[in-house]
Amino acid sequence: DGGITQSPKYLFRKEGQNVTLSCEQNLNHDAMYWYRQDPGQGLRLIYYSQIVNDFQKGDIAEGYSVSREKKESFPLTVTSAQKNPTAFYLCASKGGGPLNSNQPQHFGDGTRLSIL
Amino acid sequence: GQNIDQPTEMTATEGAIVQINCTYQTSGFNGLFWYQQHAGEAPTFLSYNVLDGLEEKGRFSSFLSRSKGYSYLLLKELQMKDSASYLCAVRDRGAGKSTFGDGTTLTVKP
Repeated sequence: DGGITQSPKYLFRKEGQNVTLSCEQNLNHDAMYWYRQDPGQGLRLIYYSQIVNDFQKGDIAEGYSVSREKKESFPLTVTSAQKNPTAFYLCASKGGGPLNSNQPQHFGDGTRLSIL
Repeated sequence: GQNIDQPTEMTATEGAIVQINCTYQTSGFNGLFWYQQHAGEAPTFLSYNVLDGLEEKGRFSSFLSRSKGYSYLLLKELQMKDSASYLCAVRDRGAGKSTFGDGTTLTVKP
């Protein structure tokens, strides 16, 4: 079945350490997104990519980095510069191209990141 | 940018009808989405509106008024499994990205 796979489900980070969250999709979607969700809050956009080898900063990009070398994959690195990384991280993808506005986003099951 | 407001919490009784409102101020509008998110899980798509009016899909309906910057999600014949957070999201014009509200946590009681 087509879908989005995020791994790991739970991740622990030590102080000063970079960690990378994986996101893979086999939906053949061009656009992919990373969101952060804190308890009781909505989704805040970290980075997004509308096409391979291109990505844009979202509203809270500081302390994070991404790459989009393959259509299927959009990994997110949480760097040591992100001082408050504890959150639920959601990856999403969207089909139909940037001009097709009626396509919803499809979400992975998320990665819960905590500080040790 | 976008500014989206939703009530934080709502409570309703099993079998009843509930309306969850969403208001937005936008610098560009290219559609409004409603998602359902159960605790600890991924959001799932419920409905999409880009033109004014009501879209009906089974027990769920969604309404949009672009001139008022207003939408609502209507849930009929509430079931216990409808207890979840409901997220309103506005898609930016041309940017391919959406801004999400903080969500409304709905609790359905017997």
